Amino acid sequence: KNEVEQSPQNLTAQEGEFITINCSYSVGISALHWLQQHPGGGIVSLFMLSSGKKKHGRLIATINIQEKHSSLHITASHPRDSAVYICAVSTSGGGADGLTFGKGTHLIIQP
Amino acid sequence: GAVVSQHPSWVICKSGTSVKIECRSLDFQATTMFWYRQFPKQSLMLMATSNEGSKATYEQGVEKDKFLINHASLTLSTLTVTSAHPEDSSFYICSAIPANYGYTFGSGTRLTVV
Repeated sequence: KNEVEQSPQNLTAQEGEFITINCSYSVGISALHWLQQHPGGGIVSLFMLSSGKKKHGRLIATINIQEKHSSLHITASHPRDSAVYICAVSTSGGGADGLTFGKGTHLIIQP
Repeated sequence: GAVVSQHPSWVICKSGTSVKIECRSLDFQATTMFWYRQFPKQSLMLMATSNEGSKATYEQGVEKDKFLINHASLTLSTLTVTSAHPEDSSFYICSAIPANYGYTFGSGTRLTVV
């Protein structure tokens, strides 16, 4: 069974700071997902990665398959970025498996 | 875009009663849906995989007779928590994988058993 570890568990930063959240996993995967969970519980998928790097607006996600490690970066952070960011992995290439989740990183961006 | 609609958003029920949670895929067909549970300050955990027209596949430690899953159509999966107890109080959320969209989640259901 895959173990997914995230760090840090909690992060408080000032508006405008560059944010990095890290994720490592223990066994090979077909894809790694970065998710955003808001206080009400709703979850939004930010990225799905199997290699390399993806960018969407101020968010950047990278993955190193050999090292079994991924990072999520937020540039020019803003209070509206405050949320729980969750790393999750899937092991089925066809997407037929459910996800295995990390415990999440609780991010607070202060004005 | 592809949307998974989940109802209810929250429910409070008495111990011993049953609660049904629905997840509907809007604008796409979902042959497979996943049901997850999240206890306070814990990570999301996969409970079961719901397959249209066949029995659900449950994860180890999840009681299939307590958490009844029905996926009778390509757009609807339901999770029924039977004889609910306070320890079943949790956040339940479903997801599907519409083509070209990746994992898409319902809005979740916060269950409180009193």
